[in-house]
Amino acid sequence: DAGVIQSPRHEVTEMGQEVTLRCKPISGHDYLFWYRQTMMRGLELLIYFNNNVPIDDSGMPEDRFSAKMPNASFSTLKIQPSEPRDSAVYFCASSLGAWTGGAPDIQYFGAGTRLSVL
Amino acid sequence: RKEVEQDPGPFNVPEGATVAFNCTYSNSASQSFFWYRQDCRKEPKLLMSVYSSGNEDGRFTAQLNRASQYISLLIRDSKLSDSATYLCVVNQAGTALIFGKGTTLSVSS
Repeated sequence: DAGVIQSPRHEVTEMGQEVTLRCKPISGHDYLFWYRQTMMRGLELLIYFNNNVPIDDSGMPEDRFSAKMPNASFSTLKIQPSEPRDSAVYFCASSLGAWTGGAPDIQYFGAGTRLSVL
Repeated sequence: RKEVEQDPGPFNVPEGATVAFNCTYSNSASQSFFWYRQDCRKEPKLLMSVYSSGNEDGRFTAQLNRASQYISLLIRDSKLSDSATYLCVVNQAGTALIFGKGTTLSVSS
């Protein structure tokens, strides 16, 4: 399996522009997670999906952020309009299930998208 | 108080040294515990789960103290390739994982 695939790997944009990050989870995985990582705040969960349905979006910072999962093999995270404080590494992760034997299934991360908003 | 706290380091040790990382968590309802490893400019990867009885995987030993809400990771005979950031991760049943900010380890020859 190719693993979780994210694109683009790097994105440089200007403040106010729309940014779309893409993710292809591992085939057969039912859960998909979007994280943001910065030096100041570490790795933060933004939103996660189960069988393409958003379960918890409480980590989405504000209305400028939106995420969709139109099918089991594709998800997008959109920022509109982007701001310099959105600069971070955005990771997508997927897992086979949620809980197995009372513990969460292993999450496999993509390589991330490094976003710079100027 | 942050949900998962770690000493950010960096820990600078010579090859062959033994090094220990600590982590504390605030939610006593947390049920599952893990250590993830993240190499520079790479994605996090699961290193090992942490069980109540303590567990070992080669040179790595993880321990959990539920009473003190404390998790540790011990690395024996450090290798250059152990240089990375180690993330402490906890969760409650039915919730997503909560990551610490990580502890950076640098092993030098």
